[in-house]
Amino acid sequence: GENVEQHPSTLSVQEGDSAVIKCTYSDSASNYFPWYKQELGKRPQLIIDIRSNVGEKKDQRIAVTLNKTAKHFSLHITETQPEDSAVYFCAAPAYSSASKIIFGSGTRLSIRP
Amino acid sequence: GAGVSQTPSNKVTEKGKYVELRCDPISGHTALYWYRQSLGQGPEFLIYFQGTGAADDSGLPNDRFFAVRPEGSVSTLKIQRTERGDSAVYLCASSLTSDNEQFFGPGTRLTVL
Repeated sequence: GENVEQHPSTLSVQEGDSAVIKCTYSDSASNYFPWYKQELGKRPQLIIDIRSNVGEKKDQRIAVTLNKTAKHFSLHITETQPEDSAVYFCAAPAYSSASKIIFGSGTRLSIRP
Repeated sequence: GAGVSQTPSNKVTEKGKYVELRCDPISGHTALYWYRQSLGQGPEFLIYFQGTGAADDSGLPNDRFFAVRPEGSVSTLKIQRTERGDSAVYLCASSLTSDNEQFFGPGTRLTVL
């Protein structure tokens, strides 16, 4: 199958707290799993990605974990700031073609001051 | 260098008309993707080019949609006999190779009246 499920669809956290977004995929022909951030009216931009030869990757306040056996991966944002407010998309390659990227439906993250 | 550019930024057309949407990828990027994004949804894969050839066009919804990349750089997405349901933001992305970061263009907002 070619399906990426993303939860939650909306998330509101207090500034300074952590946010976690989870994705599951049905199958994949590749080992590349990116996360994109899209601000209102703007283009999606890569914030972090992970390959299946590692289980976790961290970049400052952002981290991603991957469990390839269970077919799920998560985005963790710590010490959230107002500028983290945006829609976040996970993505995974389709089983039928590693070049066909399937995006999740997105999580709208709001940071409360 | 310049990022991915798309023209026009907005296109309003009438039902039944023909439209062309243009994408200029980052110089040197061999992989080029077209996506369609409806409000509140993630980007939906349409087609992927590796060089001049369409390596995967499985996301094109029907035969009214066609895309070309004759010289391996600029790509044009063509939609015949437009329908109201074609209204969306059409995003183009390019990457150095197929399993690397995709850089998105600003998109073309298509409105079919």
